Amino acid sequence: QQQVKQSPQSLIVQKGGIPIINCAYENTAFDYFPWYQQFPGKGPALLIAIRPDVSEKKEGRFTISFNKSAKQFSLHIMDSQPGDSATYFCAASRGNTPLVFGKGTRLSVIA
Amino acid sequence: DAGITQSPRHKVTETGTPVTLRCHQTENHRYMYWYRQDPGHGLRLIHYSYGVKDTDKGEVSDGYSVSRSKTEDFLLTLESATSSQTSVYFCAIRAPQGKGHGYTFGSGTRLTVV
Repeated sequence: QQQVKQSPQSLIVQKGGIPIINCAYENTAFDYFPWYQQFPGKGPALLIAIRPDVSEKKEGRFTISFNKSAKQFSLHIMDSQPGDSATYFCAASRGNTPLVFGKGTRLSVIA
Repeated sequence: DAGITQSPRHKVTETGTPVTLRCHQTENHRYMYWYRQDPGHGLRLIHYSYGVKDTDKGEVSDGYSVSRSKTEDFLLTLESATSSQTSVYFCAIRAPQGKGHGYTFGSGTRLTVV
């Protein structure tokens, strides 16, 4: 049973484009929704996170949109750059329970 | 990453041998985790700890055991390594809810079982 479903598996965009990665969750008790960025050979790093009491959060070029009724959240990367090429993971948790991760999206930003 | 180190970074071992991976933190965080990362599966939880000597199983715990005798160290042991345990293993620590609640991951251990 996959608690967090992430799509697409891979994504190619032109430099300056706005890639969008989507996640859907099942457990309505989840109260913390982070996104992680991972470069080859490195551990994932926290990018941005949101709580269900807000519908959007921006940090620099990264935005999370959250739709509680649809049980979905998404990551948008504005003005994407080749340096944003990485694998992105969404995740969710309730309280102090461990994070459940999506399967990841490999993003390639081409110049 | 700052505050968390994993050792070794790479290891090749033979089927049937025991293997121990180490995770060390300097942040004094209560929660520590072991995940494995495999193509097509993302990050899957093996075991986690919520305090010294307090551990619990994750979704892929079969064939693995853990120990935490000190706050700073969390050990993952493969009792008898199998080829299916070839993977990249990540340790993570979690900041308290009042400090963002995010995970910090180590740099990973690439384990190959031959």
